[in-house]
Amino acid sequence: DTAVSQTPKYLVTQMGNDKSIKCEQNLGHDTMYWYKQDSKKFLKIMFSYNNKELIINETVPNRFSPKSPDKAHLNLHINSLELGDSAVYFCASSQAAGSTDTQYFGPGTRLTVL
Amino acid sequence: QKEVEQDPGPLSVPEGAIVSLNCTYSNSAFQYFMWYRQYSRKGPELLMYTYSSGNKEDGRFTAQVDKSSKYISLFIRDSQPSDSATYLCAAGGYNKLIFGAGTRLAVHP
Repeated sequence: DTAVSQTPKYLVTQMGNDKSIKCEQNLGHDTMYWYKQDSKKFLKIMFSYNNKELIINETVPNRFSPKSPDKAHLNLHINSLELGDSAVYFCASSQAAGSTDTQYFGPGTRLTVL
Repeated sequence: QKEVEQDPGPLSVPEGAIVSLNCTYSNSAFQYFMWYRQYSRKGPELLMYTYSSGNKEDGRFTAQVDKSSKYISLFIRDSQPSDSATYLCAAGGYNKLIFGAGTRLAVHP
């Protein structure tokens, strides 16, 4: 009974393709996040949703589009993949939107763009 | 300048050593500070959480915050090989966490 799960775990694709990563949390949390972790382990927030509404949208290319069909799911769709998109993408969730709440991270999706 | 600076290491210590991990931050609006631990090929997990200046202890771990100098530290006593991981500091504010680059720690027997 994984708290925050992501699929797929690994994704290898060609430049220019479109791909999606799915995230689900069974913690009953209201807020979900997408983070990008580059090869130097630097973890940076991309998006945050609270009750299906976008509350944080960092400076991310508009090729990245998050979608939250319900508060337990937050998917990330990436169009026209580029080499620089290669990274590990982490989904996380927290009880509420305030960043005082503990964020629980998924296992990550390792994306490799060739 | 990154909002949260952290030396990426790597740091290699013998088992039983005291480890000191440090970060600095630039934004005085940050109000709370966290340390996350990330094992290889896993997601980060919360280790320690502090609001105010001073020390907070949990077992072998002590988190220290000095808001006047914008400095945060994590001390690990009696380090174990199982402590080998990347340690990420984070500062909270504006509904989001800003993470440092992470310090990779290796504790060898």
